[in-house]
Amino acid sequence: AQKVTQAQTEISVVEKEDVTLDCVYETRDTTYYLFWYKQPPSGELVFLIRRNSFDEQNEISGRYSWNFQKSTSSFNFTITASQVVDSAVYFCALSEALTAGNKLTFGGGTRVLVKP
Amino acid sequence: SAVISQKPSRDICQRGTSLTIQCQVDSQVTMMFWYRQQPGQSLTLIATANQGSEATYESGFVIDKFPISRPNLTFSTLTVSNMSPEDSSIYLCSALGTSVHLYEQYFGPGTRLTVT
Repeated sequence: AQKVTQAQTEISVVEKEDVTLDCVYETRDTTYYLFWYKQPPSGELVFLIRRNSFDEQNEISGRYSWNFQKSTSSFNFTITASQVVDSAVYFCALSEALTAGNKLTFGGGTRVLVKP
Repeated sequence: SAVISQKPSRDICQRGTSLTIQCQVDSQVTMMFWYRQQPGQSLTLIATANQGSEATYESGFVIDKFPISRPNLTFSTLTVSNMSPEDSSIYLCSALGTSVHLYEQYFGPGTRLTVT
């Protein structure tokens, strides 16, 4: 069975600090996909990134970066030079394409509060 | 990316009544899903909406309580039946992307339901 763990329930930082969100997953599949979503106070779920299990290259998009390490089953997310608008709940999710019909299993979420 | 809309965006309902939530995608998608997010919690999959056949429900969710329809490749409905205060949640529709965005799963804005 697939499982996603986000050990940090809440992180509070001051603007311009970097913040790293941890995500650890469990799966028996060799083919799977990892996602990060942002949920701002308005409630909608914003897609940030998808990685497949065969691509361990780290990715950078603006102030966002992701570190995927299969050896430790982790897919961590870093926000560089945080801004107040980054305040939201961030969810990591896993999809086992072959055995679970692309259903997403979500972690518990990490609430990020960026103070001015 | 697919653009997903949901109606209604929010509602306050009395216990014992039913509410039908509509989900519309702006393009044909292979798969559609319904998730529930209880207050302060993560997202949990209710069911996969199958086009032309009965939905596939996750453990703990049953068709009598959450009937789902998907008459075509762009539209689905979720009904929350015989509501109780425990059904107060955000209900989110999602769709699996196609072509270059295969396996990218996008979410609608959600329907915030309060049952009194």
